[in-house]
Amino acid sequence: DTGVSQDPRHKITKRGQNVTFRCDPISEHNRLYWYRQTLGQGPEFLTYFQNEAQLEKSRLLSDRFSAERPKGSFSTLEIQRTEQGDSAMYLCASSFDRGAHGYTFGSGTRLTVV
Amino acid sequence: AQTVTQSQPEMSVQEAETVTLSCTYDTSESDYYLFWYKQPPSRQMILVIRQEAYKQQNATENRFSVNFQKAAKSFSLKISDSQLGDAAMYFCAYRSPEWGAQKLVFGQGTRLTINP
Repeated sequence: DTGVSQDPRHKITKRGQNVTFRCDPISEHNRLYWYRQTLGQGPEFLTYFQNEAQLEKSRLLSDRFSAERPKGSFSTLEIQRTEQGDSAMYLCASSFDRGAHGYTFGSGTRLTVV
Repeated sequence: AQTVTQSQPEMSVQEAETVTLSCTYDTSESDYYLFWYKQPPSRQMILVIRQEAYKQQNATENRFSVNFQKAAKSFSLKISDSQLGDAAMYFCAYRSPEWGAQKLVFGQGTRLTINP
């Protein structure tokens, strides 16, 4: 297992377009998390899954954002009608059980909305 | 809600010297987890060290150690014998043990520069 993979690494999109990111967690990890990181800031929690169930969503996750984790494996994060304020690094992480031993992060997807 | 504060936006140290990064947090919980993560320019966050609040002994991982002061809600990271590869953003993070509260709360980060 090569760790948490995210695709694409970079995405440039025009305002108003929809974008979708993919995250492949470590196969043994049952929990998957999405975070957003803006320049010069620490990551902010967006949502998390335990297996295929989405158990918590941040208030940062507006109705333009949707995340799925079909079959409890990979996850997708979709942003509809992108806005310039959506420009950020989107990080995915996974953990086994409750993550008391820390999460494993992917390299992130950098989104630029022009 | 829990908050994490890193008051040093930037720090620099000479190679082979020791540097300490500061972190304070605010919580009403008595049991929790604290972490230091490193984010090099390649962007992937890497776990450096973790501390369980119920353990009084400070965690150590090779050249990295923490000074955990529970009463003061302080969790500083000491890097000994600094190496050029230690240059990165360092984030302090808090995690509640409560069921359902799975998220990590991060500080704003400290950018560490190693001078050769």
